[in-house]
Amino acid sequence: GAVVSQHPSWVICKSGTSVKIECRSLDFQATTMFWYRQFPKQSLMLMATSNEGSKATYEQGVEKDKFLINHASLTLSTLTVTSAHPEDSSFYICSARGLGSGGSSYNEQFFGPGTRLTVL
Amino acid sequence: KNEVEQSPQNLTAQEGEFITINCSYSVGISALHWLQQHPGGGIVSLFMLSSGKKKHGRLIATINIQEKHSSLHITASHPRDSAVYICAATPFGNEKLTFGTGTRLTIIP
Repeated sequence: GAVVSQHPSWVICKSGTSVKIECRSLDFQATTMFWYRQFPKQSLMLMATSNEGSKATYEQGVEKDKFLINHASLTLSTLTVTSAHPEDSSFYICSARGLGSGGSSYNEQFFGPGTRLTVL
Repeated sequence: KNEVEQSPQNLTAQEGEFITINCSYSVGISALHWLQQHPGGGIVSLFMLSSGKKKHGRLIATINIQEKHSSLHITASHPRDSAVYICAATPFGNEKLTFGTGTRLTIIP
């Protein structure tokens, strides 16, 4: 149990276009989802925390108008990189935490496989 | 100084060796996580622990709350264990993870 998927796994786009990345919890309800980005050989950097049905909380320095996060259901959160530029090229990872079967809560975060974004 | 520190940063060992990766943290935590990231990038959660010891196959994780220290051990290491191992802490009252810088493990056949 506790599987998180991301789609797409990789995407190449032209500068100025927008890219949407989906994060889904496949077998549990994710009350909270986290979005991270990771540059090569660096640690994960938290971008934002989203709770289902409410606005995301962005970390300092992350532009909320550039990185739009929507957590419309208990199994899906999306990150849209608007007007992408080459400096947005990175590895984007989501994680989810929420309710397991029978309503028991997960304390740990379950990570998606990541999405590699390359902006030309 | 990072709140979560790992050592070593890089570790190369021969297949079959016993591996130990260390993690120290400076804040009170509700849980300590060990994650594995393969070259492809995907992250797998190996353990979440708040006390004692957990074992899964050849992997063992321990934590000493008083000393604010955790270790990840790999017995009978194998080349497929080559990955980056990341220690992450959940501070009290905070749902966000604080990450260590990771340990890059390479197991040579």
